[in-house]
Amino acid sequence: QSALTQPASVSGSSGLSVSLSCTGTNSDVGNYNLVSCYQQHPGKAPKLVLYGVTQRPSGVSHRFSGSKSGNTASLTISGLQAEDEADYYCSSYTSNDTLPFGTGTTVTVL
Amino acid sequence: QVELVESGGGVVQPGRSLRLSCTASGFTFSRYGMHWVRQAPGKGLEWLTYMSHDETKKKRYADSVKGRFTVSRDNSKNTLYLQMNSLEYEDTAVYYCAKDSTSLNLDYWGQGTLVTVSP
Repeated sequence: QSALTQPASVSGSSGLSVSLSCTGTNSDVGNYNLVSCYQQHPGKAPKLVLYGVTQRPSGVSHRFSGSKSGNTASLTISGLQAEDEADYYCSSYTSNDTLPFGTGTTVTVL
Repeated sequence: QVELVESGGGVVQPGRSLRLSCTASGFTFSRYGMHWVRQAPGKGLEWLTYMSHDETKKKRYADSVKGRFTVSRDNSKNTLYLQMNSLEYEDTAVYYCAKDSTSLNLDYWGQGTLVTVSP
């Protein structure tokens, strides 16, 4: 079971946007709209910020949005704020009936 | 409010066993599937296992723990368990339990319990 591939780090200036990719295969991301994204601040438990590729849980800022094209899903954070600095992980259901996470992306706000 | 509290972590020797517990409150535990996820020091998240809530009690496991770890639940006690056998150094991690939202995403997480495998 391979982890989904995410860039190790992404940075962006305060107020601007960044896009985080999550690349899988046609056995996971490409075949199911069951991609979720989680935010994790240092020393804290992860928090769900997107599910079903594009859906935001109640209470999550509208600045978080999602999309998918082929085997790659993307999380976009608009209007970057200092509080968005964190690690982000994607996850997808797979044809093997498992739910692996991505390798994780560290977002830095400049 | 939803609360998940893990317990049972600690220091254990290689080859030994340990059982983790996750006590849930603030929602109807018997109506939701549950997951275990771990995070080794300085590393990323690793999904381990899922157990459904219904009469099928369906279980799914990551290859890395299949055959060594067993998930179970006691709906009368609102508790999820993870039995870990033949522990290895690589099993050192913070172990989180998480609630499934019904769509295979993890909408609530506990604060985690640390398991250290050390001689």
